[in-house]
Order: sequence, then C-alpha cells, then structure tokens
Amino acid sequence: DVKVTQSSRYLVKRTGEKVFLECVQDMDHENMFWYRQDPGLGLRLIYFSYDVKMKEKGDIPEGYSVSREKKERFSLILESASTNQTSMYLCASSLDGRTINYGYTFGSGTRLTVV
Amino acid sequence: TQLLEQSPQFLSIQEGENLTVYCNSSSVFSSLQWYRQEPGEGPVLLVTVVTGGEVKKLKRLTFQFGDARKDSSLHITAAQPGDTGLYLCAGEDNAGNMLTFGGGTRLMVKP
Repeated sequence: DVKVTQSSRYLVKRTGEKVFLECVQDMDHENMFWYRQDPGLGLRLIYFSYDVKMKEKGDIPEGYSVSREKKERFSLILESASTNQTSMYLCASSLDGRTINYGYTFGSGTRLTVV
Repeated sequence: TQLLEQSPQFLSIQEGENLTVYCNSSSVFSSLQWYRQEPGEGPVLLVTVVTGGEVKKLKRLTFQFGDARKDSSLHITAAQPGDTGLYLCAGEDNAGNMLTFGGGTRLMVKP
C-alpha cells in the first residue's frame, strides 16, 4: 500500500522555537506539497517541490521554509514558531503529470500547537 | 489564483436522507476531484471528473462536472453514518500538477 508518512501526529512547541515537520513517501513521486488546514479556511498551500532540491512558494510561505534533499523526503521548517502557526499540517505527494488519474496522496497530518 | 467555493459548509442530516454538496468557481478547470477526509486523517481521493457534463457513480455517491467545467456537485443517496466526514473538491490546473482546494463541506450523518 502506497504511503505518505508524517513523522509526528501531535506536536507542542514554544513560541520562538525552530520546528521541523518531516514527510516521507514511498511511491517514487516527483511532486510533494505542504498544506496547512484551518477551520473555515480549507487547505492552503505553503510550499511545493517538483524535484530534488527544487522548491516553489505556495500561497502562504511567510514564516516557513522547506528542504528536499532526497526525492522521498520533504521537510517543512518553521524558523521561529509563532502562535498563529498553530494548525493541522498536511503533506501530500503526486506523480508528475498524473494528478488527473491518481490525485494527491496525503499523509495523516501533524497537529501543531504553539504555546 | 483560481478559487473554489463549496456549499453548504456544514450539513447535519439523519441516516437515510439524500443530500447534495456543491463546488463552484468562476474559473475553468481541466479536471475536478473530490476527496473525503475523516477525523485525524488526511484527505482520500474519491473520484476525478474530466469532461464537461460527465457523471460518475461510486455506490451511493454521484458526482457531476458542469458543462462549462467550472462547477461540480456530489449527491449522496440514503446517507449512512459512515459517510460522515469532510468533503473537499479540488480543481486541477492545465499543467496537470497543481490542485486548488475548496473550503470543504463538513457532513454529519446521525443514526
């Protein structure tokens, strides 16, 4: 069964901490995405990557950075966590050019609370 | 940025009732997908519709893509508690790599 695995289901961090959210996929997908999901706001794209070492800003990149050193791993970094970054974070992957057939495969999400 | 609006945002119904969820945009999409997300999990793809006017059925779920490929609907017949979840529509850009998600419809089906 194909999988996208997010390293933590729940995280509690303090304001100002540097936070790493890890995502690994075992499907050899080219594309990987980070979203945050908030009530009433839906899924908002933070960053995405089409290839190793490649990254593109999404709709809300401020306060975040990403790293993709290997094809299977896409990390989201909160440089200095703030309370307004409390949210559910979802990682997804897809086959290049095959979204129409297979869609995105999502991880189970990381619920981050910044106190 | 292409926007997708879903309605209603919340829906609470009794088991056995029928319901329809709508997904609307002013933009044209090359295809549209529907996902269901259960509590504590990520969204899971239900269906992709590609052609304007296309109708697809998945057991008690019927999906339709508007003729102009700007809107879609999801109809559930005889809803069951297992249908409870967040339903998300997502439109695909012309390059075939990016999805724009709607805000979702949260459905609760009471036994």
